[in-house]
Amino acid sequence: SAVISQKPSRDICQRGTSLTIQCQVDSQVTMMFWYRQQPGQSLTLIATANQGSEATYESGFVIDKFPISRPNLTFSTLTVSNMSPEDSSIYLCSVEEPASVAGQQYFGPGTRLTVT
Amino acid sequence: ELKVEQNPLFLSMQEGKNYTIYCNYSTTSDRLYWYRQDPGKSLESLFVLLSNGAVKQEGRLMASLDTKARLSTLHITAAVHDLSATYFCAVDPLLSGTYKYIFGTGTRLKVLA
Repeated sequence: SAVISQKPSRDICQRGTSLTIQCQVDSQVTMMFWYRQQPGQSLTLIATANQGSEATYESGFVIDKFPISRPNLTFSTLTVSNMSPEDSSIYLCSVEEPASVAGQQYFGPGTRLTVT
Repeated sequence: ELKVEQNPLFLSMQEGKNYTIYCNYSTTSDRLYWYRQDPGKSLESLFVLLSNGAVKQEGRLMASLDTKARLSTLHITAAVHDLSATYFCAVDPLLSGTYKYIFGTGTRLKVLA
């Protein structure tokens, strides 16, 4: 399976600032996804990022708050804008590889964000 | 609204015992995925179930899917401490022709020596 890395692995940020999280894959993938996992909770899909097109956001998530870039088939970024303590979560990217069993996703190690 | 519920949310069990985790979902789907998450870690793919009646087994874990009942089970046989983790099921609601996951609530499993 693909090797997925995320940067930073963790960060502590002040409210009102923005943080950009990077997701790098060691092979070309079509579908990349961004999830949020709030403390002690399950995962919630933020958006789907396809190369060459605008990201598709899920209900409750908007581009102004979570802008996403997908410049090529191995890289994506998620920005958490104008942060508040409620944004403290783990943010994970995942990918669906071309050779995956239908729909199977592989997850990156996550970025643990704390907003003070 | 699509809901994916797991039962139980917390499970503490003795080593050597058997138990089943249930995953119920509220929409039509024939794609269901099981993941494991260790504390502070990312998600590890366990099983992919793609049709009614699908059954997959790996070691002490066995997963099955009943699409008519909208139910998947993860059965643990003779639990060992190393199985302590949080287990998530995820359902693809088959919308818009693209794959996407709706995750279950998670089951936190603790196996006691």
